Amino acid sequence: DAKTTQPPSMDCAEGRAANLPCNHSTISGNEYVYWYRQIHSQGPQYIIHGLKNNETNEMASLIITEDRKSSTLILPHATLRDTAVYYCIVPLYNTDKLIFGTGTRLQVFP
Amino acid sequence: SAVISQKPSRDICQRGTSLTIQCQVDSQVTMMFWYRQQPGQSLTLIATANQGSEATYESGFVIDKFPISRPNLTFSTLTVSNMSPEDSSIYLCSVEVAGTYEQYFGPGTRLTVT
Repeated sequence: DAKTTQPPSMDCAEGRAANLPCNHSTISGNEYVYWYRQIHSQGPQYIIHGLKNNETNEMASLIITEDRKSSTLILPHATLRDTAVYYCIVPLYNTDKLIFGTGTRLQVFP
Repeated sequence: SAVISQKPSRDICQRGTSLTIQCQVDSQVTMMFWYRQQPGQSLTLIATANQGSEATYESGFVIDKFPISRPNLTFSTLTVSNMSPEDSSIYLCSVEVAGTYEQYFGPGTRLTVT
């Protein structure tokens, strides 16, 4: 089971890009990387996922290194509403289970 | 995506009593899950709610304490039985988009046991 490691907290100025790193050095070739976030007092929200190629959607971009041992979630223009805990998750292979770690608490400041 | 509602949104209960939390989805889904989030902590998966069969519980969670029903593809309940203050948490249900790990979460039920 691939485990993930994230910094406990980060700060980002409003309007700047927020780059959130995640290490998943034990990931196997067919395991995806998923990102969720949890804004205070709300349920988690799906952001994006990827296997090996970089991915982009309306919320964020996901950059996965060539060896797949780490990834970076990019919020291109962070706003105050992006203040949340961000979770990098590698789901248990061949199951439907999401195991949430401690995540990165992103604080966007004015 | 799916829209998920939970009832109640919050409750304060006395120890020794039980509370049933409802989760309603606006579309038919295959996979439904129940999570617990203790104060200041991350989410912990309690169980997978299976339609037409017994729920599948994670290590540390048992059916007698957290009985789950899933009568159809849009509805599930979680009961927290014989509550103690340690059960004070936010309880969340989620559903999964078929064939992916994209899960959509309800707003949660904030339970306080006194």
